Amino acid sequence: QVTLKESGPVLVKPTETLTLTCTVSGFSLSSGRMGVSWIRQPPGKALEWLAHIFSNDENSYSPSLKSRLTISKDTSKSQVVLTMTNMDPVDTATYYCARVGITVAGPYYYYYMDVWGKGTTVTVSS
Amino acid sequence: EIVLTQSPGTLSLSPGERATLSCRASQTVTTSYLAWYQQKPGQAPRLLIYGASSRATGIPDRFSGSGYGTDFSLTISRLEPEDSAVYYCQHYGSSLFTFGPGTKVDI
Repeated sequence: QVTLKESGPVLVKPTETLTLTCTVSGFSLSSGRMGVSWIRQPPGKALEWLAHIFSNDENSYSPSLKSRLTISKDTSKSQVVLTMTNMDPVDTATYYCARVGITVAGPYYYYYMDVWGKGTTVTVSS
Repeated sequence: EIVLTQSPGTLSLSPGERATLSCRASQTVTTSYLAWYQQKPGQAPRLLIYGASSRATGIPDRFSGSGYGTDFSLTISRLEPEDSAVYYCQHYGSSLFTFGPGTKVDI
């Protein structure tokens, strides 16, 4: 069974750095065509993709947040870590990690987020 | 960077009715990179459709996706009360993921 679980602080102060950990089970972070993405959702608002890292270590970031984000993985611990610097109250949100599945069918590649964690809520306040 | 627009913002329908949700991309996208998700209040999103028209594992056949180019749609053929949720389209391209703003379906 594939599961992902987010962990990290519930409350951070403005200007601090947020570190979130996604612990996965049921699949390996180092093999196969897959990866892990981080997505956030402010209260009452839409989903916003933040970053992803694939099994081959390829990573990518949201252009609007790229300067503040770092994603990394520790395969031995089955963990993907996201850091976000200079936190602001507008960063208050539920943060999700999700497995990115990649299916190859002939000449076509399919990318999708097929398993999600339950999310962790982060509040930014002094 | 591709921008996804979804319409309508809210859809209010009765059980048994058909719902058609639209997702429009700001430029032509690769069909196989288009997905749809369902999110119920207090829950994480759930993958419904990938590759614009392929149902994910365990998704009822009343959910179907179609489209190509810049215009895509999600159809729920016979609404059930548990289909009340927000539905998001998503695209992957140029190593970036993008979500649409969502359509809320009230039943």
